Amino acid sequence: QKEVEQDPGPLSVPEGAIVSLNCTYSNSAFQYFMWYRQYSRKGPELLMYTYSSGNKEDGRFTAQVDKSSKYISLFIRDSQPSDSATYLCAMSVLSGANNLFFGTGTRLTVIP
Amino acid sequence: DSGVTQTPKHLITATGQRVTLRCSPRSGDLSVYWYQQSLDQGLQFLIQYYNGEERAKGNILERFSAQQFPDLHSELNLSSLELGDSALYFCASSVEASGGEQYFGPGTRLTVT
Repeated sequence: QKEVEQDPGPLSVPEGAIVSLNCTYSNSAFQYFMWYRQYSRKGPELLMYTYSSGNKEDGRFTAQVDKSSKYISLFIRDSQPSDSATYLCAMSVLSGANNLFFGTGTRLTVIP
Repeated sequence: DSGVTQTPKHLITATGQRVTLRCSPRSGDLSVYWYQQSLDQGLQFLIQYYNGEERAKGNILERFSAQQFPDLHSELNLSSLELGDSALYFCASSVEASGGEQYFGPGTRLTVT
């Protein structure tokens, strides 16, 4: 079993829809949770960064972390064609090695 | 633009050869990470350096090595290349040794023929 599981999609939604992306994980030591957006094999771009449980909002993006369920989500409101990309969840432990453990990524297409 | 730079963008080489990938972290960042992204494996952590010292090792092959120089730029050396080493290689940087956001460079696409 992989430490981070993510539905690879693909996911297609109409413009303006609310998108929900999710990851589950098995390692309870994960404390930092991130969402990255990657356009066609370019470098991953950091979208959201959260520490421990809770919600964080930034514009049209909301990240949620539920450590009791080992489940994180990214919501995109009023989705735009420019949001079409692969979304990667990533997480790391509190101290020691800081390497990120990534999900496989979900490919999202927003249809105009 | 994340502020992390990587060169070269593309590299095509033959099996058995050796290549060097270069990374310059964001200004002020002391940690450098190397990741490999292949179609079947996703993004995999290779190695981390913090202020010139090796900090953590992941799934890095013995044929691969890295170092971080006093000016904080880093190089990833890949030797005895095999077809399966063809992948995107990303460098990321962060301020701290642990915790904190990691910012990725544009990557180097390596093709081994």
